[in-house]
Amino acid sequence: QVQLQESGPGLVKPSQTLSLTCTVSGGSISSGGYYWSWIRQHPGKGLEWIGYIYYSGSTYYNPSLKSRVTISVDTSKNQFSLKLSSVTAADTAVYYCARVRAAIDYWGQGTLVTVSS
Amino acid sequence: DIQVTQSPSFLSASVGDRVTITCRASQDISTYLAWYQQNPGKVPKLLIYDASTLQSGVPSRFSGSGSGTEFTLTISSLQPEDFATYYCQQLDSYSFTFGPGTKVDFK
Repeated sequence: QVQLQESGPGLVKPSQTLSLTCTVSGGSISSGGYYWSWIRQHPGKGLEWIGYIYYSGSTYYNPSLKSRVTISVDTSKNQFSLKLSSVTAADTAVYYCARVRAAIDYWGQGTLVTVSS
Repeated sequence: DIQVTQSPSFLSASVGDRVTITCRASQDISTYLAWYQQNPGKVPKLLIYDASTLQSGVPSRFSGSGSGTEFTLTISSLQPEDFATYYCQQLDSYSFTFGPGTKVDFK
């Protein structure tokens, strides 16, 4: 059974960089065939796709966030990470990591990140 | 970028009702569409992928149809646990856009 678990600070100051890591268990990121993704959900709002990384390292980002987002992968640790720079209060959200092929079949539990001084 | 819309945004229904939610894509996405159910404070759950394939373990009262730019999610007989918010997602282009959601509430 594949499991994903987000980790990282729950509080980030404005203008700083939000950093989250997703640890995958029960399956290997290196096995290929999946897009390892980040999604966020603002409080009381809908789902927003942030971007994904393939095991090879190729990435694609939501154009609205592209200038601030970096997603990277560490296959040796079976982890992938999200960095979002220059955050503001508008980046306060629950952040999910997820596995995608035909659809998102596995999600992390989500982690609330609050941007506040 | 492909835009995704859903209608209605809100839907009031009763247990036993047949419910239909529509999702539209701004360009042809073939059948690269998924549907999710989300309850408050919970992780979204995959219901349907490839427009009409039922995810393992999902009750057969859920069904999906459509191709190209117009898709539907149907719940044949609404059950108490189905009162939730439903999202569609396109997976055709590089940007896997979600629809804005449809909240199904008690009438």
